[in-house]
Amino acid sequence: NAGVTQTPKFQVLKTGQSMTLQCAQDMNHNSMYWYRQDPGMGLRLIYYSASEGTTDKGEVPNGYNVSRLNKREFSLRLESAAPSQTSVYFCASTVGGVVDYGYTFGSGTRLTVV
Amino acid sequence: QKEVEQDPGPLSVPEGAIVSLNCTYSNSAFQYFMWYRQYSRKGPELLMYTYSSGNKEDGRFTAQVDKSSKYISLFIRDSQPSDSATYLCAMSPWGAQKLVFGQGTRLTINP
Repeated sequence: NAGVTQTPKFQVLKTGQSMTLQCAQDMNHNSMYWYRQDPGMGLRLIYYSASEGTTDKGEVPNGYNVSRLNKREFSLRLESAAPSQTSVYFCASTVGGVVDYGYTFGSGTRLTVV
Repeated sequence: QKEVEQDPGPLSVPEGAIVSLNCTYSNSAFQYFMWYRQYSRKGPELLMYTYSSGNKEDGRFTAQVDKSSKYISLFIRDSQPSDSATYLCAMSPWGAQKLVFGQGTRLTINP
């Protein structure tokens, strides 16, 4: 029972490089989310997908794109990384289209942009 | 002003103490209230979940919701060093597609 799996766990990028953060869940959840966590800022929603085939912007979407590849997988892409995107990124999922029962989180990706 | 306010701490208490963690919120539509625990370098994990007002107890943990004051609390009795973590409150209205999180409170229990 893996839950939510994120890859990679750590990454260092140079300014202007691109990369894709991968997320997969094996719980047959419908909704998936990408958050970033910064000191003093808490968890901020980047993008979410309420169901397969749909994506919506969250609080801080600029500089990011997402793809809901299928029901299991939701990827986050940084097209041209900037130092301000240095953060810890968490993927989460929940069973239904609403969040009544809370999220299950992955273990995070620590990204440093130099 | 943020929809959910949480004192970031840090909070440091001796082992065995009763700990009180709190969040205030401004959106009267919030119905679902949760507490997450996050150990260092790990993802948050759901600790307690309550619907509407009232108390919920699970072992040493009690979650309390006061909707009239727009205030929620998490109490930890007989605190242990293993309770040292960041605690995040989260909440949502009925039918919402995403949670709103507090900033998190960093808690240290000293042996």
